[in-house]
Amino acid sequence: EVQLVESGGGLVQPGGSLRLSCAASRFTFNTYAMGWVRQAPGKGLEWVSTISATGDSTYYADSVKGRFTISRDKSKSTLFLQMNSLRAEDTAVYYCAKGHDSSAYYYFPDSWGQGTQVTVSS
Amino acid sequence: SYELTQAPSVSVSPGQTARITCSGEPLPNRNAHWYQQKSGQAPVLVIYEDSKRPSGIPERFSGSRSGTMATLTISGAQVEDEGDYYCYSIDSSIYHRGVFGGGTKLTVL
Repeated sequence: EVQLVESGGGLVQPGGSLRLSCAASRFTFNTYAMGWVRQAPGKGLEWVSTISATGDSTYYADSVKGRFTISRDKSKSTLFLQMNSLRAEDTAVYYCAKGHDSSAYYYFPDSWGQGTQVTVSS
Repeated sequence: SYELTQAPSVSVSPGQTARITCSGEPLPNRNAHWYQQKSGQAPVLVIYEDSKRPSGIPERFSGSRSGTMATLTISGAQVEDEGDYYCYSIDSSIYHRGVFGGGTKLTVL
């Protein structure tokens, strides 16, 4: 069974930065697209970003474009989300999610981690 | 850019059929996928590519898509099916992005 374990969340002040990590195991990490989805308190799911299996294609939600960067390290089977210039509206649980195949273009999550809480507040 | 619209809530009695719909402009050209999220838990994929069921998902879950609408059907809903259900698709009308519907809270009682 796929295992995805997020870390790196926490409390940060507006304008600050955080780097989320997602350790992947029990599947061939290098052959699947990966992504991040977030959920603000009491709200629905929001797609954040996707990266292809090779790392050469990335997509971002308009709300995070220019502030967040998705990346992956195949040697460590780990997905990252670098979050800069954080705002109060970025407060959410961030889920790491495995794609169904290698493509970022047709990405949809088929397995999810348990999420990590990010709180942006002064 | 387009949005996916879902009714906020659906309520059925145990054993009845629950239908949850998702409408939006991307759907004639893109597959719909469905997720179940129970309180305090991560989402789970229950239907992908309109009508395919992942292993381990009960047969009472089915899906369809026609025109601008996708439908998740739970035939003989059980109390354990309660939760929030989200549709998801891809919108490439202006720039490429993933899109979730607003979610439908299913109550089975």
